[in-house]
Amino acid sequence: QVQLVESGGGVVQPGTSLRLSCAASGFTFSRFGMHWVRLTPGKGLEGVAYIRSGATNQYYADSVKGRFTISRDDPRNTLYLQMSSLRADDTAIYYCARDGPNHDIDFWGQGTQVTVSS
Amino acid sequence: QSVLTQPPSVSAAPGQKVTISCSGSTSNIGRSYVSWYQQLPGAAPKLLIFKDDKRPSGIPDRFSGSKSGTSATLGITGLQTGDEADYYCGTWDNNLRAFGGGTKVTVL
Repeated sequence: QVQLVESGGGVVQPGTSLRLSCAASGFTFSRFGMHWVRLTPGKGLEGVAYIRSGATNQYYADSVKGRFTISRDDPRNTLYLQMSSLRADDTAIYYCARDGPNHDIDFWGQGTQVTVSS
Repeated sequence: QSVLTQPPSVSAAPGQKVTISCSGSTSNIGRSYVSWYQQLPGAAPKLLIFKDDKRPSGIPDRFSGSKSGTSATLGITGLQTGDEADYYCGTWDNNLRAFGGGTKVTVL
């Protein structure tokens, strides 16, 4: 069965960096686009970044453009989100999610908490 | 603040029906399929509806979806206490997934 397991979250100070990882299993990772989506109280879900299969294109929310980088390692079945210049409003639960056969999100990981606070 | 607009909350008694609206624009709902997700407390979101009105296997037919123009609707009939959750609509907007702010369903 499809499994997505995020790691790398934590409590960090503003202006610092953090890298999230998502280990995928149960499907042919290289064939699917992948998303990072975050959940913040009061704001709901926000699509943060998307990478197509083959890493041919990456897309970012305006709120993170220039600070976050999405990447993938297909031989390792792993998705990454490199976050830099973190701000308090980046505090959220970050989910890794698969872009399914119908070109929408069909599976989500359990999420990893990122807290940016001084 | 969210790209798509949902009501913050809806409620009904067990066995009754609720509907959740999701309003967007021609750049998102008006040109892409809509999905709906259920998020139980402390859990990951779960796909309920895809391609506007299709249910994945295992999702009961108490859940239904529809779309017209730049708006979509999720319906839940025969409401159960286990349906208490946050519900989100989602679609594509400018090559990125866009979501509503979420609707909390309360079973009275």
